[in-house]
Amino acid sequence: EAGVTQFPSHSVIEKGQTVTLRCDPISGHDNLYWYRRVMGKEIKFLLHFVKESKQDESGMPNNRFLAERTGGTYSTLKVQPAELEDSGVYFCASSPTSGRALTEQFFGPGTRLTVL
Amino acid sequence: LAKTTQPISMDSYEGQEVNITCSHNNIATNDYITWYQQFPSQGPRFIIQGYKTKVTNEVASLFIPADRKSSTLSLPRVSLSDTAVYYCLVGDYGGSQGNLIFGKGTKLSVKP
Repeated sequence: EAGVTQFPSHSVIEKGQTVTLRCDPISGHDNLYWYRRVMGKEIKFLLHFVKESKQDESGMPNNRFLAERTGGTYSTLKVQPAELEDSGVYFCASSPTSGRALTEQFFGPGTRLTVL
Repeated sequence: LAKTTQPISMDSYEGQEVNITCSHNNIATNDYITWYQQFPSQGPRFIIQGYKTKVTNEVASLFIPADRKSSTLSLPRVSLSDTAVYYCLVGDYGGSQGNLIFGKGTKLSVKP
């Protein structure tokens, strides 16, 4: 079974540019999450989709970040315009059901974003 | 969500048993204890979860005392490939809440 995949693995952009990160969850997983780790900090939750609906977006830092999950399959996270402090590793995770199974989330390898 | 405290780092040698203890003094009645493992350049990976007493799977054991104010992750006979960061998470992740709260974790270094 394929795991969670993320694209690209690395992205280097200049301040003010736009970047779109993609996440493909494990097939059949309704729950999809985005997390990020900025330099030297802990992994922080960004948002949670259940199918195509945003269940919880309390972790989104500001309105420069836009996440979508059209059709309830893959998800994109767009940063526009990117700022220096957005540099870090962005992780996507998925899980199959609600309830206790939410704690067993399957993470992708992450996208390393560098904003110059 | 309960705050967790765990050692920043630990060193071990191949073949030894490693025990990583996590303190969570203000754990709530509905909270579960979950451990994740993260290798360099990879996302975190679920290891084990428990509520009380002892849980064992093919990877590790989790010991939880009766007061549940701490928990110990036990890795039997570690190998070099067990070098990773181990995170202790505590929370009631049932229902719609899926935002895992990661702390700093414990960096385990296994030496030959």
